[in-house]
Amino acid sequence: QSVLTQPPSVSGAPGQRVTISCTGSTSNIGAGFHVHWYQHLPGTVPKLLISDNTNRPSGVPDRFSGSRSGTSASLAITGLQAEDEADYYCQSYDSSLSGYVFGTGTQVTVL
Amino acid sequence: QVQLVESGGGVVQPGRSLRLSCAASGFTFNSYAIHWVRQAPGKGLEWVAVISFDGNKQYYADSVKGRFTISRDNSKNTLYLQMNSLRGEDTALYYCARDHSSSLVVPAAMDYWGQGTLVTVAS
Repeated sequence: QSVLTQPPSVSGAPGQRVTISCTGSTSNIGAGFHVHWYQHLPGTVPKLLISDNTNRPSGVPDRFSGSRSGTSASLAITGLQAEDEADYYCQSYDSSLSGYVFGTGTQVTVL
Repeated sequence: QVQLVESGGGVVQPGRSLRLSCAASGFTFNSYAIHWVRQAPGKGLEWVAVISFDGNKQYYADSVKGRFTISRDNSKNTLYLQMNSLRGEDTALYYCARDHSSSLVVPAAMDYWGQGTLVTVAS
């Protein structure tokens, strides 16, 4: 049972904007630990999408953006494309658990 | 290019042991911390363990603490996960993933992942 909660699924039409929330607590996101986001297509390797709350690694389209506020973080995908259909996970560190934690995961569907 | 290749997975009976390996190439292995992350069938990602660049620090998820041991051989550019007293709930695809930093002072992202090796615990 993860300490980072995400909606199970979000969907949108091509070209639309969708957001995925990641709700934590004062022992992880609220404590100031960075939030990272990963894209995981079935049968492939998880890919780092956003690091340190807002940073896009080289090669990640600027359609993807991250933000953090208080005990939560969000991933936004603008100009949704069919290739964005995947599972998305947030990840941080939890001081109470003394370990790294992943969110529950969100499946993005392009209608 | 950065490559991480896991091996050692298979079918094992409950209570038995298994050792996973992760062979690294394309980067200076002894400069980075490395994680093990797993994904059970139909479930999300779960962090398992991490080891510092020099092997001096190891941290574990509560679910595996006392049963699993993470280690590394920097002379062989290889990471290991010794799994003892295996349970059905340990059935998963196990990934090794490079930490974005060398030390673990500030928890960082996992920037490169291997393809994973499947562990099935069943009688």
